[in-house]
Amino acid sequence: DTEVTQTPKHLVMGMTNKKSLKCEQHMGHRAMYWYKQKAKKPPELMFVYSYEKLSINESVPSRFSPECPNSSLLNLHLHALQPEDSALYLCASSQATGPAEKLFFGSGTQLSVL
Amino acid sequence: AQSVTQLGSHVSVSEGALVLLRCNYSSSVPPYLFWYVQYPNQGLQLLLKYTSAATLVKGINGFEAEFKKSETSFHLTKPSAHMSDAAEYFCAVRTNTGGFKTIFGAGTRLFVKA
Repeated sequence: DTEVTQTPKHLVMGMTNKKSLKCEQHMGHRAMYWYKQKAKKPPELMFVYSYEKLSINESVPSRFSPECPNSSLLNLHLHALQPEDSALYLCASSQATGPAEKLFFGSGTQLSVL
Repeated sequence: AQSVTQLGSHVSVSEGALVLLRCNYSSSVPPYLFWYVQYPNQGLQLLLKYTSAATLVKGINGFEAEFKKSETSFHLTKPSAHMSDAAEYFCAVRTNTGGFKTIFGAGTRLFVKA
């Protein structure tokens, strides 16, 4: 199994809603990532979890709250988002956090904030 | 911090023609470089990676890239383009700033004409 599974695939939410994005991998990878990708732009790193601990936070606003309940799961909790937060949210994993690690990506959640 | 620059936001080739996508890196130490491909409405997939074992790296789908230290380049090539190669291609580098993370170039959209 070399898949990273993200749910839901599409999400529409209002600015007062609370929602969560989910990501799951069963490759035994110990690092997991959240990226944000706007249309026609490259993915931008948001968070890195290493061995279930948050290791990198790229100064992301607190309305985005990551959570890593176990080594296979990664969540991104959303609250009071703004329309400019509409984007494709990509989850990725890697075997470890060394310099040569390649990333395995999910298909993403397309988020629209109204 | 290490970074990559992709020259040309769009490249158009005819089917069967040579594909050349350009990437230059900025690094004072040997970098770990990657090429990823993103098809519409999908996540990213690794094409190949350079980790200093060999300067010519072969990847999936007939792509290869050559690391040239004198030119600080890591250009992606394919001898003969296929319609299915039409996608967005991202050059990336693993950089160590408070932990290893993957940073992407701006991307190059490849169009393949019949």
